Amino acid sequence: NAGVMQNPRHLVRRRGQEARLRCSPMKGHSHVYWYRQLPEEGLKFMVYLQKENIIDESGMPKERFSAEFPKEGPSILRIQQVVRGDSAAYFCASSPVPSMLGEQFFGPGTRLTVL
Amino acid sequence: AQTVTQSQPEMSVQEAETVTLSCTYDTSENNYYLFWYKQPPSRQMILVIRQEAYKQQNATENRFSVNFQKAAKSFSLKISDSQLGDTAMYFCAFMKHGGATNKLIFGTGTLLAVQP
Repeated sequence: NAGVMQNPRHLVRRRGQEARLRCSPMKGHSHVYWYRQLPEEGLKFMVYLQKENIIDESGMPKERFSAEFPKEGPSILRIQQVVRGDSAAYFCASSPVPSMLGEQFFGPGTRLTVL
Repeated sequence: AQTVTQSQPEMSVQEAETVTLSCTYDTSENNYYLFWYKQPPSRQMILVIRQEAYKQQNATENRFSVNFQKAAKSFSLKISDSQLGDTAMYFCAFMKHGGATNKLIFGTGTLLAVQP
């Protein structure tokens, strides 16, 4: 059973470009979470999605950021018009049932660098 | 709002020795989970140990154990017989149980270096 997959692992963008980060949850998992880790900091929650629904986006900036988890295909975190402050590691996690022991399984992360 | 505090930015321990990492949290919830995650240089987040707040017994996973003090809102991690592969950043995390969302709230981490 493959783990949570994220791609790309590294992404370089210039200011003003768009960044698309993809996350494929573990097989059988229908809940996806995105977290951001700024340099020298802990992970901060951004958004929680189930298939075709955003459940909680309280941690996501109101502008330029969006997330989706379509019925088919991976979850996508999209950052429009990137700025240097968006440079961070973005982690995706998945779970089968949200409250079942609370465990979330993390992907390897995507490191975004904005030049 | 819940908060998680790790007051030790860095720690060092000799191989084969024991080390304890501290974590405190603040919440008004009664049902929740607490976790310790390890992040080695590869940056992969690895679950080390989990504690359910309703369980009084401290969780143990091989060389890793916790000291869970619910009244004091303290959740420390003890690593026994430290190994070089334990060198990593360790994050304490909180999750409310049974809510509409299941977000993890992380502390700022403790960088542990195991010295040969």
